[in-house]
Amino acid sequence: DGGITQSPKYLFRKEGQNVTLSCEQNLNHDAMYWYRQDPGQGLRLIYYSQIVNDFQKGDIAEGYSVSREKKESFPLTVTSAQKNPTAFYLCASSTGLLGGSPLHFGNGTRLTVT
Amino acid sequence: SQQGEEDPQALSIQEGENATMNCSYKTSINNLQWYRQNSGRGLVHLILIRSNEREKHSGRLRVTLDTSKKSSSLLITASRAADTASYFCATEARETSGSRLTFGEGTQLTVNP
Repeated sequence: DGGITQSPKYLFRKEGQNVTLSCEQNLNHDAMYWYRQDPGQGLRLIYYSQIVNDFQKGDIAEGYSVSREKKESFPLTVTSAQKNPTAFYLCASSTGLLGGSPLHFGNGTRLTVT
Repeated sequence: SQQGEEDPQALSIQEGENATMNCSYKTSINNLQWYRQNSGRGLVHLILIRSNEREKHSGRLRVTLDTSKKSSSLLITASRAADTASYFCATEARETSGSRLTFGEGTQLTVNP
C-alpha cells in the first residue's frame, strides 16, 4: 500500500534538545510538506519542498530545519531555538502539479517538550 | 497566516440530519479543498473545487464556491455517526499556485446516534 509514514507517533524531549521527526513516502510524489497543528486549531505550514535538494520556508519556519536528500524522505528537526515546540506535527505529500493536487497526510507525530 | 476561516467552530447534529459548514477566505484562489480529520490522525482529502466551478458533488458531499463572496460551503447529507470529525477548508492562493495550501481552523462536527 502506498502512503506516508511518520515516526514515532509520540515523542518526548527535554527543553534544549534538538529532535528529528521522520517522514517517508512511497507515493512517488515530488512535493512534501510539514505542518504544525496546535490544539483546536488549523494547520500552519513550516517548510515545504517541491523537488529533491530544494525546500522553502513556510509561515512559521523559525526554530525548525529540514533536508530533502531523497525523494522519499523529508525529515524535520525541531531545534532548541523553537520557543513552543510542543505540538502535533503532520507531514504531507502531493504530486505538486499546477492546478490543484490534493495532499496526502501521514498520521502525525505528537511532540511533547518539558 | 491563516486564510480560511470556518464557520461554525463546532456543530452537533443528530444522525440523519444534514450538516453545513462554511469557509471564507481573503485572496484570489486557484482552487479550494476540503479535508476531514479524525481525532489524533492525519487529514484526508475529501473534495477539490476549482475557481471556475460553482458546485461539485461526491457521494453525500456537496461543495459550493462563490468567488465573488470569497466563500465556500460543505454540505454532508444524511449524516452518520462515523462522520464525526473535524473538517477543514484549504485554499491554493493564485500567487503561490502549484504546491502550497493554507488551512482554516476547522469545524468540529459531532453526529449523535
